[in-house]
Amino acid sequence: QITLKESGPTLVKPTQTLTLTCTFSGFSLTSTGVAVDWIRQPPGKALEWLALIYWDDDKRYSPSLKNRLTITRDTSKNQVVLTMTYMDPLDTATYYCGHKANTYGHFDYWGQGALVTVSS
Amino acid sequence: NFMLTQPHSVSAYPGKTVTISCTRSGGSIASNYVQWYQKRPGSAPTTVIYEDTARPSGVPDRFSGSVDTSSNSASLTISGLKTEDEADYYCQSHDITTRVFGGGTRLTVL
Repeated sequence: QITLKESGPTLVKPTQTLTLTCTFSGFSLTSTGVAVDWIRQPPGKALEWLALIYWDDDKRYSPSLKNRLTITRDTSKNQVVLTMTYMDPLDTATYYCGHKANTYGHFDYWGQGALVTVSS
Repeated sequence: NFMLTQPHSVSAYPGKTVTISCTRSGGSIASNYVQWYQKRPGSAPTTVIYEDTARPSGVPDRFSGSVDTSSNSASLTISGLKTEDEADYYCQSHDITTRVFGGGTRLTVL
């Protein structure tokens, strides 16, 4: 059974760096085609795709946020880490990680989401 | 880069049929698969349609997807509406470098 769970701070101050961890089980991020993505949803707003990491460690980023995002993986811990620099109150959102079984597939499993509030 | 545009909201009565559109600007809708997700408050999204027309197991056949190249859009159709269908629906697609979600459509079952 595939599960994912996001963890990280619930509150960060403006200009700080956010580090979120997606801990997963039930699949290997080294299996061909598999990817883990990060998606967020600000309160009352739409889903927004942020970044992904592929089974071969290739990475993609949202063009509008690429200068602030870094995605990495630790295959020994079954974790994917997203860092976002220069946090702003507009970055307040629920952050999700999602699993894809193939490169252009749908998100078939999601984490429960982690609410991050940016406030001084 | 490309965008996916959805109507802000749709509504219909129980038992009726509703269609939600998703129009792609920047590239052909047919060049990459479209997924549809249902999103309820406080819950993670769930897939109702993937690869344009496929339905995951457990999703009732009242949900169907289609693509229209003439309008460069994809559509999600829900027939026999039930009150439990009330939610936000998001289309999503990709190109070689990015994934994009539509702005979401609030479905109200009257």
